[in-house]
Formats: sequence, C-alpha cells, structure tokens
Amino acid sequence: GNSVTQMEGPVTLSEEAFLTINCTYTATGYPSLFWYVQYPGEGLQLLLKATKADDKGSNKGFEATYRKETTSFHLEKGSVQVSDSAVYFCALSDWYSSASKIIFGSGTRLSIRP
Amino acid sequence: DGGITQSPKYLFRKEGQNVTLSCEQNLNHDAMYWYRQDPGQGLRLIYYSQIVNDFQKGDIAEGYSVSREKKESFPLTVTSAQKNPTAFYLCASSIYPRQGGKDEQYFGPGTRLTVT
Repeated sequence: GNSVTQMEGPVTLSEEAFLTINCTYTATGYPSLFWYVQYPGEGLQLLLKATKADDKGSNKGFEATYRKETTSFHLEKGSVQVSDSAVYFCALSDWYSSASKIIFGSGTRLSIRP
Repeated sequence: DGGITQSPKYLFRKEGQNVTLSCEQNLNHDAMYWYRQDPGQGLRLIYYSQIVNDFQKGDIAEGYSVSREKKESFPLTVTSAQKNPTAFYLCASSIYPRQGGKDEQYFGPGTRLTVT
C-alpha cells in the first residue's frame, strides 16, 4: 500500500541555519503531498501542499517540490528561527475502499538553538 | 472564524470507565476523522466518516466507538475495552471526498486523555 518515509529526528540546528527534512513516498496513482507542523501540545497545522508533479508548495519561508522521478517531497528552509521548533509530518493523500484518507509519516522533531 | 473545536483539552478518567471526546466543526465539511497520537509517534487512524449517519473503522478501531448524527459533530467514545487508552486524540475534517480525492485535512487542537 501507499506509505511515507521521513528522516528520523530529532534534528537540532542553530538559528539561521539551512534546514532540510527528507521525505520519500510510495504511491500508486498521483496523490497530493503535504507537510504538516505540530507545535507542543497542539494539533496539526497544514504548512504547505503540492498536488501534482513538479509543483512547489511554499509557506512561511518553507518550501517543498513534488518530485515524481525520485518520489520525494523534501522540506527546506533557508534560515530557521527558534519559533520553527516543532514536529514536522510529511503526508500523502490516499484513496481506497471509496474513501479519502491521508497517510502520515512518523514525524521529525526539529529543535532550533538561539 | 471557522474551525474545529475539541473539548476538553485535558481529560482524566479511572480505568474501567467509558469516556466521550467531543469534536465539532463549523467548516461545512462532510468528512471527519479521529486519530490517536502516542508520545514520539505519528498518527494512527481510529475511525472516519464521510457523510452523516455513516462511518468506517480505521487502522486501530478496537475499543473505540463513534457516531455521526450531525454533520458538525463526530464524538469518539473510548470504552473500557481499549487496553491502552492514555494518548493524545486528534479530530480532523475535510471537504467531501471525491473519487481520487487529494484534499487536505484540517485538525482540531486535540484532547489529552489520561487513564489511571
């Protein structure tokens, strides 16, 4: 079945460092791809999405490109801030048994040092 | 403001008691979902509902029950049959799922349930 694999954390960076969180997927068809962010004690917020190959999703300085040839959707940010400390989930849309669902990766915890 | 509300934020129960978690949305979404999150882990789907009066089991439905009598509401009951009920529970919703659906889900703030 469809699945998402993302790099294990925790990832610790200094403020203003460059961030990459790797995400690869396995899917039949053409799913949408998402990055969600979860701040401590809160629910998930949609950070960005891409709905077809070569689309680039972007928001709050984060970006990710839907790469069908490498089945990847890596999250990047040029200069991280302390406020970016959170858990990041890569996810894909799925459709089976006449139902729409989302498959989530296991999450990557990001900590930014001042 | 449109959104999803879950109440309460923290819930404490004794072992052997059933407990119901509330989820309400005013986004006019047709589909609603319940997930469970354990410390340091990803999300696991408990139940989902695509329309009123219909719902399906997710990956870990044992020990849980739901109802969907209104479009806006999708309460989750954690029964005494659930062996490890202590967890963070997240409710989500999305627009009507279409064939080949590719739409995102929107999440509530979650309820942290502790059973002792």
